[in-house]
Amino acid sequence: GAGVSQTPSNKVTEKGKYVELRCDPISGHTALYWYRQSLGQGPEFLIYFQGTGAADDSGLPNDRFFAVRPEGSVSTLKIQRTERGDSAVYLCASSYRQNGELFFGEGSRLTVL
Amino acid sequence: AQKVTQAQTEISVVEKEDVTLDCVYETRDTTYYLFWYKQPPSGELVFLIRRNSFDEQNEISGRYSWNFQKSTSSFNFTITASQVVDSAVYFCALKGYSTLTFGKGTMLLVSP
Repeated sequence: GAGVSQTPSNKVTEKGKYVELRCDPISGHTALYWYRQSLGQGPEFLIYFQGTGAADDSGLPNDRFFAVRPEGSVSTLKIQRTERGDSAVYLCASSYRQNGELFFGEGSRLTVL
Repeated sequence: AQKVTQAQTEISVVEKEDVTLDCVYETRDTTYYLFWYKQPPSGELVFLIRRNSFDEQNEISGRYSWNFQKSTSSFNFTITASQVVDSAVYFCALKGYSTLTFGKGTMLLVSP
């Protein structure tokens, strides 16, 4: 597709469950970012990939959060033992160059009951 | 550390009014980039503009214009003759040597 694609668009889960969120970036974009946006707030940085490696994971809140990008394209954000506080919209973005504009997907809305 | 402040939480205007959204930033990086994004009710963040720290020329794109003033660390955004379709949350963002940092956003409501 032409834009950044994220699945699922909505995910409802129970506290303590494991969740995976997928991001398919724009073709040819080597940089991929995960952000989290809570209601009424700006996007909050989680992790940044350049190619297959995580160039900066300083935004991951704790070790329950993990992300991979094994082939340098699609990325998966994994959340273990989900908590109610993890409820948010998880945004993925890709960029053609390091300081270029980020193109965002529509996000995956996670609700933890 | 980087910081972006958008002091206006919400602005309401009537169609055809001009409106300015304020953005003030803090960074110790000598080279940095400033961005504005629009987030309509549908939720997807839409890129509007990117400006590097060495280019203080103001920019105009249709009804949109941006005023970058390094001396006051501000990068304000003006919409001329606002329209209902401009209603959205607008985010200012900063990227220095680390990752892109967003402000908390300004919600703009344009009523007919």
